[in-house]
Amino acid sequence: AQKVTQAQTEISVVEKEDVTLDCVYETRDTTYYLFWYKQPPSGELVFLIRRNSFDEQNEISGRYSWNFQKSTSSFNFTITASQVVDSAVYFCALSETPGNTGKLIFGQGTTLQVKP
Amino acid sequence: NAGVMQNPRHLVRRRGQEARLRCSPVKGHSHVYWYRQLPEEGLKFMVYLQKENIIDESGMPKERFSAEFPKEGPSILRIQQVVRGDSAAYFCASSPYTGTQLLGNEQFFGPGTRLTVL
Repeated sequence: AQKVTQAQTEISVVEKEDVTLDCVYETRDTTYYLFWYKQPPSGELVFLIRRNSFDEQNEISGRYSWNFQKSTSSFNFTITASQVVDSAVYFCALSETPGNTGKLIFGQGTTLQVKP
Repeated sequence: NAGVMQNPRHLVRRRGQEARLRCSPVKGHSHVYWYRQLPEEGLKFMVYLQKENIIDESGMPKERFSAEFPKEGPSILRIQQVVRGDSAAYFCASSPYTGTQLLGNEQFFGPGTRLTVL
């Protein structure tokens, strides 16, 4: 069965600390996409990144970086020098080929609190 | 360049009433998804629609819930005879048709409708 696990329910850090949010997924398919979304306190969902299963290159965007490792079925997200504005719930999601509908399977989310 | 619009943003209903949630996708997007976020949980897929067609409703509860995406107008998620367990945030997302498979297409999410059942 397809599944996304975010084992960290809540993380609390002090501003300027680095923090890594873990995401482990399960799929039987060889073609799939992984996503990260941010949900700030205001409630909307903000797209952060999309990665396909054939591209294992790590990606960096400003203070954000992502580490995709197929060998361990993980797609971890690191925030460097965290800021208070990073406080939010972060969701990892999986989209895979069967049915070709594009529907997303979300993890339970990790609540990140960055304290000043 | 309007994004996905959902209304109302907040909806309060008493048990037994009907709830109608509306979603206007990004202009030009012909694929709509509905997700539900129960309190303290992640989002769960409910239904995927194209114009005038329900493509995948595998996540919809079997009773009381229905969805449509007419040729003209917004997509509607309808919940009949609401119960307290329906209290949740309901998110709509839209995706463009690129002429290829939908896999990997970014989904643009609306701000959500927060339904409270008293």
